[in-house]
Amino acid sequence: DSGVTQTPKHLITATGQRVTLRCSPRSGDLSVYWYQQSLDQGLQFLIQYYNGEERAKGNILERFSAQQFPDLHSELNLSSLELGDSALYFCASSEGDPNQPQHFGDGTRLSIL
Amino acid sequence: TQLLEQSPQFLSIQEGENLTVYCNSSSVFSSLQWYRQEPGEGPVLLVTVVTGGEVKKLKRLTFQFGDARKDSSLHITAAQPGDTGLYLCAGAGYGQNFVFGPGTRLSVLP
Repeated sequence: DSGVTQTPKHLITATGQRVTLRCSPRSGDLSVYWYQQSLDQGLQFLIQYYNGEERAKGNILERFSAQQFPDLHSELNLSSLELGDSALYFCASSEGDPNQPQHFGDGTRLSIL
Repeated sequence: TQLLEQSPQFLSIQEGENLTVYCNSSSVFSSLQWYRQEPGEGPVLLVTVVTGGEVKKLKRLTFQFGDARKDSSLHITAAQPGDTGLYLCAGAGYGQNFVFGPGTRLSVLP
């Protein structure tokens, strides 16, 4: 058990809809990272938050947004969903330093019909 | 933008064989990490290497960080079916974002 909790585990929705994925980091971790992993693909970094502030941005679409709340949990919002957004979305947390290991949740599997 | 390349992309071997997978970059990394991911689960950290030339052993797994801190290797001795999974290297360059390589998908057949 990594200590990182992601909900929901599975999400099925239709094109054009909006969803929110939730992540609770490991106790004591200040950084939260979001990744997208499509079928048989590597991890694509989307965005990182540190103690409530955006720290780094990767290949995140404008239709996607995220935030980290005062209690350090984070949400990833995906809107105007397209078929190509179907993927596993992982949240990871770390103490904050880029050299610190990241602890991953089990992911949310998003299926767009 | 720093990139990490991994080779081979796919590897299928018989139980008991040895193997080495590689992680390479043109950039210098302050540290490199290796993760293993099993289907339907999140990646799990195996090791972090920090010092150029460093070698770390984890049971049958041996990790090495290149002297120039641009590459790393993972050697598995006497592979077992339980070693099957996606092996990812990851790291952060100085002042750069954390990045993951595309992974090596290992299949160990009984």
